[in-house]
Amino acid sequence: GENVEQHPSTLSVQEGDSAVIKCTYSDSASNYFPWYKQELGKRPQLIIDIRSNVGEKKDQRIAVTLNKTAKHFSLHITETQPEDSAVYFCAPRINRDDKIIFGKGTRLHILP
Amino acid sequence: DAGVIQSPRHEVTEMGQEVTLRCKPISGHNSLFWYRQTMMRGLELLIYFNNNVPIDDSGMPEDRFSAKMPNASFSTLKIQPSEPRDSAVYFCASSTGTGRSGANVLTFGAGSRLTVL
Repeated sequence: GENVEQHPSTLSVQEGDSAVIKCTYSDSASNYFPWYKQELGKRPQLIIDIRSNVGEKKDQRIAVTLNKTAKHFSLHITETQPEDSAVYFCAPRINRDDKIIFGKGTRLHILP
Repeated sequence: DAGVIQSPRHEVTEMGQEVTLRCKPISGHNSLFWYRQTMMRGLELLIYFNNNVPIDDSGMPEDRFSAKMPNASFSTLKIQPSEPRDSAVYFCASSTGTGRSGANVLTFGAGSRLTVL
């Protein structure tokens, strides 16, 4: 089965700076790479995703980059704001398999 | 659509009691997932269904846990008997399943916070 690891587990950045979270996976057949954000006391919600035929995708201040050779993908947040404080989860998935396994999460703190 | 609906939102019970958590997926979604979230273990997949059929229950911790999906609009997760270590937030999520556009996106319910004393 898929082995998913996220790094770092905790990240603190100054407001306005950039944050990068990395997700590594084990199954080379993975072809869908989403990131979910969970604010305190709320449910996880999809914020950005990428499929294996694309190397990078951007949506305003967030972007996801994919390195299929190295089997990792990263979440990039630029110009961080207080509302970016949350736990972020990756969940790489094999399209033929409905099973969805989440990484352990990265807690992002935006410092004033 | 009202999204994925879970009940109860909060449950406090005593050790040994039976707990039943309920979930109504988004209409038209044919995959349903139950997750458990704790600080120590993160988001753990317990079981998932495709078209009301349980596909993988390897994440169910032990025989005290059971899940059913009698029809496309309802699922239950039951714990009998409950123990203090079962205390967690239980999330239900649904998706349209593989092979379709947007098939891989999970929509979560608000969660059921369970406390077993």
